[in-house]
Amino acid sequence: QKEVEQNSGPLSVPEGAIASLNCTYSDRGSQSFFWYRQYSGKSPELIMFIYSNGDKEDGRFTAQLNKASQYVSLLIRDSQPSDSATYLCAVLDSGGGADGLTFGKGTHLIIQP
Amino acid sequence: DTEVTQTPKHLVMGMTNKKSLKCEQHMGHRAMYWYKQKAKKPPELMFVYSYEKLSINESVPSRFSPECPNSSLLNLHLHALQPEDSALYLCASSQDLSGTWTQYFGPGTRLLVL
Repeated sequence: QKEVEQNSGPLSVPEGAIASLNCTYSDRGSQSFFWYRQYSGKSPELIMFIYSNGDKEDGRFTAQLNKASQYVSLLIRDSQPSDSATYLCAVLDSGGGADGLTFGKGTHLIIQP
Repeated sequence: DTEVTQTPKHLVMGMTNKKSLKCEQHMGHRAMYWYKQKAKKPPELMFVYSYEKLSINESVPSRFSPECPNSSLLNLHLHALQPEDSALYLCASSQDLSGTWTQYFGPGTRLLVL
Protein backbone atom coordinates (compact mmCIF):
# COMPACT_ATOMS: atom_id res chain seq x y z
CA GLN A 1 0.00 0.00 0.00
CA LYS A 2 1.28 3.44 -0.94
CA GLU A 3 2.26 5.52 2.07
CA VAL A 4 3.24 9.14 2.53
CA GLU A 5 4.70 10.08 5.89
CA GLN A 6 4.85 13.51 7.47
CA ASN A 7 5.56 14.70 10.99
CA SER A 8 2.18 15.94 12.20
CA GLY A 9 3.73 18.63 14.43
CA PRO A 10 2.87 21.19 15.51
CA LEU A 11 6.03 22.76 14.12
CA SER A 12 6.58 26.15 15.71
CA VAL A 13 8.82 28.65 13.90
CA PRO A 14 9.57 32.30 14.76
CA GLU A 15 8.43 34.94 12.31
CA GLY A 16 11.11 35.68 9.73
CA ALA A 17 12.83 32.30 10.12
CA ILE A 18 12.94 29.38 7.69
CA ALA A 19 10.30 26.69 8.12
CA SER A 20 11.34 23.23 6.93
CA LEU A 21 8.69 20.62 6.21
CA ASN A 22 9.57 17.05 5.34
CA CYS A 23 7.85 14.12 3.67
CA THR A 24 8.83 10.57 2.73
CA TYR A 25 6.99 8.21 0.41
CA SER A 26 7.02 4.45 0.00
CA ASP A 27 6.36 3.86 -3.71
CA ARG A 28 9.43 4.21 -5.92
CA GLY A 29 7.10 4.46 -8.93
CA SER A 30 5.79 7.82 -7.78
CA GLN A 31 6.14 10.45 -10.49
CA SER A 32 4.92 13.80 -9.22
CA PHE A 33 4.95 15.47 -5.83
CA PHE A 34 2.84 18.30 -4.50
CA TRP A 35 2.63 20.56 -1.49
CA TYR A 36 -0.78 21.91 -0.53
CA ARG A 37 -1.54 24.45 2.19
CA GLN A 38 -4.81 24.07 4.07
CA TYR A 39 -6.19 26.64 6.46
CA SER A 40 -8.64 25.42 9.07
CA GLY A 41 -12.08 24.92 7.53
CA LYS A 42 -10.84 25.60 4.00
CA SER A 43 -9.89 23.43 1.04
CA PRO A 44 -6.30 22.52 0.06
CA GLU A 45 -4.49 25.18 -1.96
CA LEU A 46 -1.62 24.21 -4.24
CA ILE A 47 1.71 25.73 -3.19
CA MET A 48 4.27 23.84 -5.25
CA PHE A 49 4.71 20.82 -7.46
CA ILE A 50 7.96 19.07 -8.37
CA TYR A 51 8.75 16.01 -10.46
CA SER A 52 12.49 16.19 -11.11
CA ASN A 53 15.27 15.63 -8.63
CA GLY A 54 16.70 18.81 -7.17
CA ASP A 55 15.31 22.13 -6.06
CA LYS A 56 12.45 24.21 -7.39
CA GLU A 57 11.95 27.76 -6.16
CA ASP A 58 8.85 29.96 -6.31
CA GLY A 59 9.03 33.17 -4.31
CA ARG A 60 9.55 32.34 -0.63
CA PHE A 61 8.94 28.64 -1.25
CA THR A 62 11.47 26.00 -2.30
CA ALA A 63 10.56 22.38 -2.94
CA GLN A 64 13.31 19.74 -2.87
CA LEU A 65 13.06 16.22 -4.28
CA ASN A 66 15.41 13.27 -3.81
CA LYS A 67 13.95 10.22 -5.53
CA ALA A 68 16.82 7.96 -4.45
CA SER A 69 16.00 8.67 -0.81
CA GLN A 70 12.23 8.90 -1.52
CA TYR A 71 12.19 12.25 0.20
CA VAL A 72 10.55 15.56 -0.61
CA SER A 73 10.68 18.76 1.41
CA LEU A 74 9.30 22.29 1.45
CA LEU A 75 11.23 25.29 2.73
CA ILE A 76 9.44 28.52 3.54
CA ARG A 77 11.77 31.50 3.87
CA ASP A 78 10.95 34.66 5.81
CA SER A 79 8.01 32.92 7.49
CA GLN A 80 4.95 35.06 8.10
CA PRO A 81 2.07 34.53 10.55
CA SER A 82 -0.17 34.02 7.50
CA ASP A 83 1.88 30.90 6.69
CA SER A 84 0.38 29.24 9.78
CA ALA A 85 -1.62 26.34 8.36
CA THR A 86 -1.51 22.59 7.78
CA TYR A 87 0.80 21.60 4.93
CA LEU A 88 -0.13 18.45 3.05
CA CYS A 89 2.42 16.48 1.05
CA ALA A 90 0.82 14.57 -1.82
CA VAL A 91 2.18 12.03 -4.26
CA LEU A 92 0.92 10.97 -7.67
CA ASP A 93 1.94 7.69 -9.23
CA SER A 94 0.66 8.08 -12.74
CA GLY A 95 3.06 9.22 -15.41
CA GLY A 96 0.40 9.82 -18.01
CA GLY A 97 -3.14 9.74 -16.76
CA ALA A 98 -5.64 10.72 -14.15
CA ASP A 99 -5.07 9.16 -10.75
CA GLY A 100 -5.83 10.00 -7.17
CA LEU A 101 -3.37 11.77 -4.93
CA THR A 102 -2.01 9.96 -1.90
CA PHE A 103 -1.70 12.44 0.94
CA GLY A 104 0.37 12.48 4.06
CA LYS A 105 -1.41 13.32 7.30
CA GLY A 106 -0.16 16.90 7.13
CA THR A 107 2.17 19.03 9.24
CA HIS A 108 0.61 21.75 11.37
CA LEU A 109 2.86 24.81 11.10
CA ILE A 110 2.65 27.68 13.56
CA ILE A 111 4.54 30.91 12.87
CA GLN A 112 5.09 32.80 16.09
CA PRO A 113 4.98 36.63 15.76
CA ASP B 1 -7.40 30.88 -13.92
CA THR B 2 -7.45 27.75 -11.76
CA GLU B 3 -10.96 28.00 -10.37
CA VAL B 4 -13.11 25.06 -9.43
CA THR B 5 -16.52 25.95 -7.99
CA GLN B 6 -18.71 23.82 -5.75
CA THR B 7 -22.29 24.19 -4.58
CA PRO B 8 -23.70 24.24 -2.02
CA LYS B 9 -21.09 25.43 0.48
CA HIS B 10 -22.96 23.83 3.36
CA LEU B 11 -25.57 21.07 3.43
CA VAL B 12 -27.54 19.54 6.26
CA MET B 13 -29.56 16.44 5.45
CA GLY B 14 -31.43 13.68 7.19
CA MET B 15 -30.67 10.03 6.65
CA THR B 16 -33.70 9.59 4.39
CA ASN B 17 -33.03 12.60 2.17
CA LYS B 18 -31.70 12.69 -1.38
CA LYS B 19 -29.39 15.55 -2.26
CA SER B 20 -26.72 16.37 -4.84
CA LEU B 21 -23.39 18.13 -4.71
CA LYS B 22 -22.24 20.01 -7.79
CA CYS B 23 -18.81 20.89 -9.10
CA GLU B 24 -17.84 22.96 -12.14
CA GLN B 25 -14.61 23.92 -13.83
CA HIS B 26 -13.95 25.95 -16.98
CA MET B 27 -10.24 25.30 -17.36
CA GLY B 28 -10.66 22.70 -20.08
CA HIS B 29 -9.52 19.99 -17.69
CA ARG B 30 -10.55 16.47 -18.69
CA ALA B 31 -10.13 14.75 -15.33
CA MET B 32 -12.30 15.43 -12.29
CA TYR B 33 -12.20 13.96 -8.82
CA TRP B 34 -14.22 13.62 -5.64
CA TYR B 35 -12.44 13.44 -2.30
CA LYS B 36 -13.82 13.14 1.22
CA GLN B 37 -12.08 14.80 4.15
CA LYS B 38 -12.89 14.16 7.78
CA ALA B 39 -11.75 16.56 10.50
CA LYS B 40 -7.98 16.54 11.11
CA LYS B 41 -7.46 13.90 8.41
CA PRO B 42 -6.09 14.22 4.87
CA PRO B 43 -8.42 14.02 1.85
CA GLU B 44 -9.33 10.51 0.73
CA LEU B 45 -10.04 9.73 -2.91
CA MET B 46 -13.57 8.59 -3.75
CA PHE B 47 -13.95 8.75 -7.54
CA VAL B 48 -12.02 9.76 -10.66
CA TYR B 49 -13.56 10.69 -13.99
CA SER B 50 -11.29 10.85 -17.02
CA TYR B 51 -12.72 12.15 -20.30
CA GLU B 52 -16.21 11.93 -18.77
CA LYS B 53 -15.84 8.23 -17.95
CA LEU B 54 -15.57 6.81 -14.45
CA SER B 55 -12.04 5.47 -14.23
CA ILE B 56 -11.57 4.94 -10.48
CA ASN B 57 -14.06 4.05 -7.76
CA GLU B 58 -12.33 3.57 -4.43
CA SER B 59 -14.88 1.03 -3.15
CA VAL B 60 -17.26 3.80 -2.14
CA PRO B 61 -20.68 2.71 -0.75
CA SER B 62 -23.52 2.84 -3.27
CA ARG B 63 -25.27 5.57 -1.27
CA PHE B 64 -22.77 7.86 -3.08
CA SER B 65 -23.43 8.02 -6.82
CA PRO B 66 -21.20 10.13 -9.07
CA GLU B 67 -22.21 11.57 -12.40
CA CYS B 68 -20.29 13.49 -15.06
CA PRO B 69 -22.83 15.11 -17.43
CA ASN B 70 -20.11 16.83 -19.49
CA SER B 71 -16.45 17.72 -19.32
CA SER B 72 -17.07 20.77 -17.11
CA LEU B 73 -19.51 19.35 -14.59
CA LEU B 74 -19.32 16.72 -11.90
CA ASN B 75 -22.14 15.74 -9.57
CA LEU B 76 -22.25 13.58 -6.47
CA HIS B 77 -25.72 12.23 -5.68
CA LEU B 78 -26.37 11.36 -2.05
CA HIS B 79 -29.03 9.02 -0.74
CA ALA B 80 -29.66 7.36 2.62
CA LEU B 81 -26.45 8.67 4.13
CA GLN B 82 -25.25 7.88 7.62
CA PRO B 83 -24.05 10.35 10.28
CA GLU B 84 -20.49 9.07 9.77
CA ASP B 85 -20.67 10.42 6.21
CA SER B 86 -20.54 13.95 7.62
CA ALA B 87 -17.38 15.50 6.18
CA LEU B 88 -15.95 18.08 3.79
CA TYR B 89 -16.47 16.90 0.21
CA LEU B 90 -13.87 18.22 -2.17
CA CYS B 91 -13.96 18.34 -5.94
CA ALA B 92 -10.75 18.68 -7.94
CA SER B 93 -9.82 18.84 -11.60
CA SER B 94 -6.65 18.35 -13.57
CA GLN B 95 -5.05 17.93 -16.89
CA ASP B 96 -1.57 18.97 -17.54
CA LEU B 97 -0.08 18.15 -20.91
CA SER B 98 3.40 18.32 -19.39
CA GLY B 99 2.52 15.22 -17.44
CA THR B 100 2.31 16.49 -13.90
CA TRP B 101 -1.48 16.17 -13.67
CA THR B 102 -1.63 18.91 -11.06
CA GLN B 103 -4.94 18.82 -9.21
CA TYR B 104 -6.76 22.00 -8.23
CA PHE B 105 -9.37 21.83 -5.51
CA GLY B 106 -12.67 23.62 -5.17
CA PRO B 107 -13.75 25.21 -1.88
CA GLY B 108 -15.64 22.10 -0.81
CA THR B 109 -19.11 21.31 0.47
CA ARG B 110 -19.39 20.80 4.21
CA LEU B 111 -21.98 18.08 4.75
CA LEU B 112 -23.72 17.29 8.02
CA VAL B 113 -25.92 14.19 8.17
CA LEU B 114 -28.38 14.10 11.05
